[in-house]
Amino acid sequence: EPEVTQTPSHQVTQMGQEVILRCVPISNHLYFYWYRQILGQKVEFLVSFYNNEISEKSEIFDDQFSVERPDGSNFTLKIRSTKLEDSAMYFCASNVGLNTEAFFGQGTRLTVV
Amino acid sequence: ILNVEQSPQSLHVQEGDSTNFTCSFPSSNFYALHWYRWETAKSPEALFVMTLNGDEKKKGRISATLNTKEGYSYLYIKGSQPEDSATYLCAFLLQGGSEKLVFGKGTKLTVNP
Repeated sequence: EPEVTQTPSHQVTQMGQEVILRCVPISNHLYFYWYRQILGQKVEFLVSFYNNEISEKSEIFDDQFSVERPDGSNFTLKIRSTKLEDSAMYFCASNVGLNTEAFFGQGTRLTVV
Repeated sequence: ILNVEQSPQSLHVQEGDSTNFTCSFPSSNFYALHWYRWETAKSPEALFVMTLNGDEKKKGRISATLNTKEGYSYLYIKGSQPEDSATYLCAFLLQGGSEKLVFGKGTKLTVNP
């Protein structure tokens, strides 16, 4: 069964460093997303990506964040200068269209020290 | 601010018990409600996508109902099994073309053998 894969599963980084979280969405999907869950809090939306551009982003997704789909298969989330409060589980998701079930990856646990 | 609430926060039941939990969401500008099942160390997995008031969907022993006028959905599990142990998340999709799923905090279900 096709699945969304994310790497790495866990990343520890120093405050101020750049991190890139990687995702391979399901191949025939058209919409791609990043969500995150800070420990003990709700899963929250960061950004959606469609037709090679950001289609929607939350107030969390400031200039420190960027997304790319560099080669038609990978979908990356970059955080330019990590802060302690960026520590969270980051989930990538994809679906075939609006309001269809989203397929999530297993997440990358980012720890900023 | 869109708010999705789930109750109870956690639930312990015995194998064979039937159980249900609630998701409350804004009744205005409703577009869809998603239910996801999230087992520890795995990806959240879609259970249902519900759009119509009065909708009832079923997948095996799990079913869900939707009341968009009063803003709630129930998830039922009949004859719980230990493998049903997971966190059940609901997520609301706003009318107007938004792709952003707004999640509740989840109900953590533990089924004791």
